[in-house]
Amino acid sequence: AQSVTQPDIHITVSEGASLELRCNYSYGATPYLFWYVQSPGQGLQLLLKYFSGDTLVQGIKGFEAEFKRSQSSFNLRKPSVHWSDAAEYFCAVGALGGATNKLIFGTGTLLAVQP
Amino acid sequence: EPEVTQTPSHQVTQMGQEVILRCVPISNHLYFYWYRQILGQKVEFLVSFYNNEISEKSEIFDDQFSVERPDGSNFTLKIRSTKLEDSAMYFCASSLAGDFVDEQFFGPGTRLTVL
Repeated sequence: AQSVTQPDIHITVSEGASLELRCNYSYGATPYLFWYVQSPGQGLQLLLKYFSGDTLVQGIKGFEAEFKRSQSSFNLRKPSVHWSDAAEYFCAVGALGGATNKLIFGTGTLLAVQP
Repeated sequence: EPEVTQTPSHQVTQMGQEVILRCVPISNHLYFYWYRQILGQKVEFLVSFYNNEISEKSEIFDDQFSVERPDGSNFTLKIRSTKLEDSAMYFCASSLAGDFVDEQFFGPGTRLTVL
């Protein structure tokens, strides 16, 4: 069965430091992979997605993620974190089937940014 | 920018009561979804809806749950007789198409507390 694991529940980084949030997935075929961010009081916002092609994907807000099939990973990175990046980050895999497709999420990683 | 809205932001109810969670998807979207997140757990798919019928539902979505698009703009999730374990954050989402090429846009969620 498809699943997503985000091993880090809570991460704290200093403003200006680099960031890497980990995501591992389990999926039989080539996965559709997503990172969403949720700021307090806001909905889940798509940061980036990977379907095929270049394994390094650029997203909004300066984020990027790299698909590594051999490691079943899709880690999210940002070279320099801003205080406004404090939020909860969700990795998801798209499960195909039927007339619609659903997202399977990890438990999320809560990012705190220290000044 | 168009967005998905959800009301109420927080609903408190007594066990056994019926609740209706409301969502207004983005106006030209055709596919609608409900997900939920129990505190500390993964965001889970509940149901997808297209062309006025359920496309897919998870095993969580039992006979106590129902969805409806009553007036062409709202999309509701009804829980007939709430249980303590229904306490969760419920997210509504919508998309233009049912594949992953088109993004699923999420609302800010309704936090349901069952006492």
